[in-house]
Amino acid sequence: GENVEQHPSTLSVQEGDSAVIKCTYSDSASNYFPWYKQELGKGPQLIIDIRSNVGEKKDQRIAVTLNKTAKHFSLHITETQPEDSAVYFCAPRGVTGGGNKLTFGTGTQLKVEL
Amino acid sequence: GAGVSQSPSNKVTEKGKDVELRCDPISGHTALYWYRQSLGQGLEFLIYFQGNSAPDKSGLPSDRFSAERTGGSVSTLTIQRTQQEDSAVYLCASSLNGGSQETQYFGPGTRLLVL
Repeated sequence: GENVEQHPSTLSVQEGDSAVIKCTYSDSASNYFPWYKQELGKGPQLIIDIRSNVGEKKDQRIAVTLNKTAKHFSLHITETQPEDSAVYFCAPRGVTGGGNKLTFGTGTQLKVEL
Repeated sequence: GAGVSQSPSNKVTEKGKDVELRCDPISGHTALYWYRQSLGQGLEFLIYFQGNSAPDKSGLPSDRFSAERTGGSVSTLTIQRTQQEDSAVYLCASSLNGGSQETQYFGPGTRLLVL
């Protein structure tokens, strides 16, 4: 199965600064790379995803970059705001062993301080 | 439209009792997933249903865990003879056709506490 590592586990930034979270995976055949945001008391919600035929995708203040050679992808949040405070999970979709289930990273607790 | 709903939102039970957790997927979604989120364990896959195919049960931790999906819609996750280590948030997700690059939409979860 897919081995997923996510760094850092906690991240504290000042409002307006940028935040970067990195996810490494083991399955070289992985072809789908989503990031989920989980607020307290809620289920994870997809915020951005990227497929293996592109290297970068941007949606307003959020971007994801993919390096398939090195088997890692990163979440970039610019101009952070207090409402960005949450736990973020990567969930690369491996192909070996069944491509339907998500294998989640261990999560990054992001805190945006005023 | 309505998202994925789960009930109950919270469940407290005594060790040894059976519990049933319910998931209503997004209307029209043929794929349904159960995950478990434990403190210090992250999110782990439990079981996956796709249409009329046999479910992928590879993530169920023991034979005390089972799940059904009736009529291709609502799903029930049953935990028999609950143990304290079963305490966790149980999350349900659905996707349109179960494709490997499809978005999975999560419900709010059921918080289970086994005393």
